[in-house]
Amino acid sequence: DGGITQSPKYLFRKEGQNVTLSCEQNLNHDAMYWYRQDPGQGLRLIYYSQIVNDFQKGDIAEGYSVSREKKESFPLTVTSAQKNPTAFYLCASKDRYSNQPQHFGDGTRLSIL
Amino acid sequence: AQSVAQPEDQVNVAEGNPLTVKCTYSVSGNPYLFWYVQYPNRGLQFLLKYITGDNLVKGSYGFEAEFNKSQTSFHLKKPSALVSDSALYFCAVSSNQAGTALIFGKGTTLSVSS
Repeated sequence: DGGITQSPKYLFRKEGQNVTLSCEQNLNHDAMYWYRQDPGQGLRLIYYSQIVNDFQKGDIAEGYSVSREKKESFPLTVTSAQKNPTAFYLCASKDRYSNQPQHFGDGTRLSIL
Repeated sequence: AQSVAQPEDQVNVAEGNPLTVKCTYSVSGNPYLFWYVQYPNRGLQFLLKYITGDNLVKGSYGFEAEFNKSQTSFHLKKPSALVSDSALYFCAVSSNQAGTALIFGKGTTLSVSS
């Protein structure tokens, strides 16, 4: 079955530590997205990538970094510069040129130790 | 700038009654509109979309939505609510340009009582 896999499901970060969230898709989608979800605030776009080796900042990119070395993978690093990282992080993908909906993974919940 | 408003944080309905979850949007050009549902600690599941054509769109699990261009609205509806419909619902919009990211509303919690 095709889909998006996010790992780990739960992640804890210590002060000053960088952590990386994994997102892998086998849907052959060009475009991939990272969102942050906080209670009552909906989903906010962190970064997105429309093709390999290219990505753009979203609305709340500060304190985050990404890479897109392979079509299937779009890892997100939460750096120590992100002072309030506790949130639910969702990865999504879609075919870049179609009007089909984005497919979502099941998310990673990041908490501070 | 694109934006989506879901004016109700929570909607409460009794099982068997009709439900409506409201959404209004602002976008340049023709909009692509979507509804998603989220269950606790899960990702978003696609319910339905409006791209073009008929203003009444039918989707998964008996949900439908009506696109109203003059009121810039895309309200989600279901004729008869089920307890299992209780979840968090998101409306989203993008412009009709390739690869444009979605803009999401803040979500509406639907609670269906038995």
